[in-house]
Amino acid sequence: DGGITQSPKYLFRKEGQNVTLSCEQNLNHDAMYWYRQDPGQGLRLIYYSQIVNDFQKGDIAEGYSVSREKKESFPLTVTSAQKNPTAFYLCASSMQGAAGELFFGEGSRLTVL
Amino acid sequence: QKEVEQDPGPLSVPEGAIVSLNCTYSNSAFQYFMWYRQYSRKGPELLMYTYSSGNKEDGRFTAQVDKSSKYISLFIRDSQPSDSATYLCAMRGDRAAGNKLTFGGGTRVLVKP
Repeated sequence: DGGITQSPKYLFRKEGQNVTLSCEQNLNHDAMYWYRQDPGQGLRLIYYSQIVNDFQKGDIAEGYSVSREKKESFPLTVTSAQKNPTAFYLCASSMQGAAGELFFGEGSRLTVL
Repeated sequence: QKEVEQDPGPLSVPEGAIVSLNCTYSNSAFQYFMWYRQYSRKGPELLMYTYSSGNKEDGRFTAQVDKSSKYISLFIRDSQPSDSATYLCAMRGDRAAGNKLTFGGGTRVLVKP
């Protein structure tokens, strides 16, 4: 089945540690995105990539980093510089030029202890 | 002030009632309007997509866009307990603006049997 796979589903981290969230898609989509979701704030864009080896900052990129070495993969690293990293992280993909149909993964919930 | 405003709810209705959801926005450049449904601890899924002003119907769902008032609505007829979820509006500018979406904060809906 085609889709987006995020892992891990739940992750706990101590303060000061970096953590990497995985996102893999087999939809052959060119564009991939990372969103953060906090209660009552909707989805906020962290980073997005429209082609391999290229990515742009979203609205809240500080404290995060990404890479896009393969079309299928777009991992997100939450660094120790992110002041409030506890959140629900969603990865999405879309066809290039698609007006608004994002396909989302099931999300990764990160809790900082 | 947020670009997209959405009442967080919760909105509680009896089974079979009409659910009425809405969003207001401030950016007149928005051209494409979407509604996503998100079940608890899952990623959002696209429900409706509209372009420009007017109505669009799909089964029990009707989306309305009033660009002059910067106001969009989603109506769910004959609501079912399975419609209990959070509904997110999303919007974006023209194709030159890229694929970036701006989301509302989401409205939680509870349909009681």
